[in-house]
This record gives sequence, C-alpha cells and structure tokens, in this order.
Amino acid sequence: SYELTQPPSVSVSPGQTARITCSGDALPKRYSYWYQQKSGQAPVLVIYEDSKRPSGIPERFSGSSSGTMATLTISGAQVEDEADYFCYSTDSSSNHRGVFGGGTKLAVL
Amino acid sequence: EVQLVQSGVEVKKPGESLKISCEASGYSFTSHWIGWVRQMPGKGLEWLGIIYPGDSDTRYSPSFQGHVTISADKSISTAYLQWSSLKASDTAMYYCARHDSSKDCYPTDWGQGTLVTVSS
Repeated sequence: SYELTQPPSVSVSPGQTARITCSGDALPKRYSYWYQQKSGQAPVLVIYEDSKRPSGIPERFSGSSSGTMATLTISGAQVEDEADYFCYSTDSSSNHRGVFGGGTKLAVL
Repeated sequence: EVQLVQSGVEVKKPGESLKISCEASGYSFTSHWIGWVRQMPGKGLEWLGIIYPGDSDTRYSPSFQGHVTISADKSISTAYLQWSSLKASDTAMYYCARHDSSKDCYPTDWGQGTLVTVSS
C-alpha cells in the first residue's frame, strides 16, 4: 500500500525556521496536505494543495512540493507551534483514497 | 459553521459489536464526503475510509477494507463507523472528518473524537 515518510522528530529554538519533510512516490502527481495536532486535541488543517493556507492559519506556516518530497516550513517558530505534524496525500490510483504520513513531533525549545 | 459531534466514550469486550456516530451540521451533508480516521494510543493518524452521503458511495483504505463498515443516514445528517466483532487492537481514538473533494479528497473539518477501548 502507498506510504508517506516523515522524520520522527524535528527540534528548533524559538524564532528559528522549522522544516518538516514528507516523501512519497505519488507526490509528483498528487497534492500534499499538512495537519497540526496538539496534545489531546483533534488535528487542524494548516496547509492544503501543497502551499495554500486556510483562513486563520498564521502566515509563518508555508508549504511547498517538488518531485517526491513535500515540505512544511514554519518561519520563526513559536513555542505554541510545538505539536505533531502529519502530511496527507492520496493514492496514485485514486484521489479518493487517502494516506497519512507517520507524523513528526516538533519541539520548540 | 461546520460542526461534527461524535458519540461518547465506549468500553467494550473482544468479540462485541459497536457502532459509533458523527452528527454533522452547518453544511450540506449530502454534498460532501465524510470519513473516519483512527489514532491508536501514542501513534499517528490512519485514514480508514469515506462515504458520500448523497449516493452512499463508499471508499476504504485497503488496510481497513473488510474490518470496518462506514455508513450514513442522510435523513439525520449522521455518519457511522461500525465493527461486527471488536478486537483489542481496535482500541483507539476515532475521528470523523468532513472531506473536500474539489481536487483531491482530503479532511477539512474534524469531530472531537470518540475513544474506543476494547478489553476483556
């Protein structure tokens, strides 16, 4: 089955830029999406269609995708950005079959 | 405002059946896919499948096909996830999520989660 691969953890100091990657063979043909999940809460969409930001998401969150890799960038990470981040995309055979990456724990300290 | 309100905590024994629900409001229930995501304790998100309440078209992840059943009752704007015979490995938080399908199909709005514990 299709898989998306993320690093288990990323650590930055407050104010630094955090970059979280997601690799998958179908990403050249499929959009990537990113979700933030804080402890004990439901996930929240922070980036859709590779680089678009939903209303209410701070401008420091941005996304990009090139080839088989998508990247979530948090410019000037804040302590409140500490969370788990999951990439999402759809299977190469069907854009109605989703898959999540394994998740990346972002530490801002 | 889109709202997805899920049913409450469930504690079941192995082999029992279960059906959890997700009541939607604030949008046209029959015009959007709605689906389910599993999160086992301390683990990541897993996409289970989706249903289009307008015509009951249902799609499953290959990993979950045959293990769960997704359904919807459009008369009461409610989606369901059910098991016929629970296992201890079904212990997890289950989220329902409205999906957007303008291009790819992806979760946009999430319920609060339903915690399911299966233990003898």
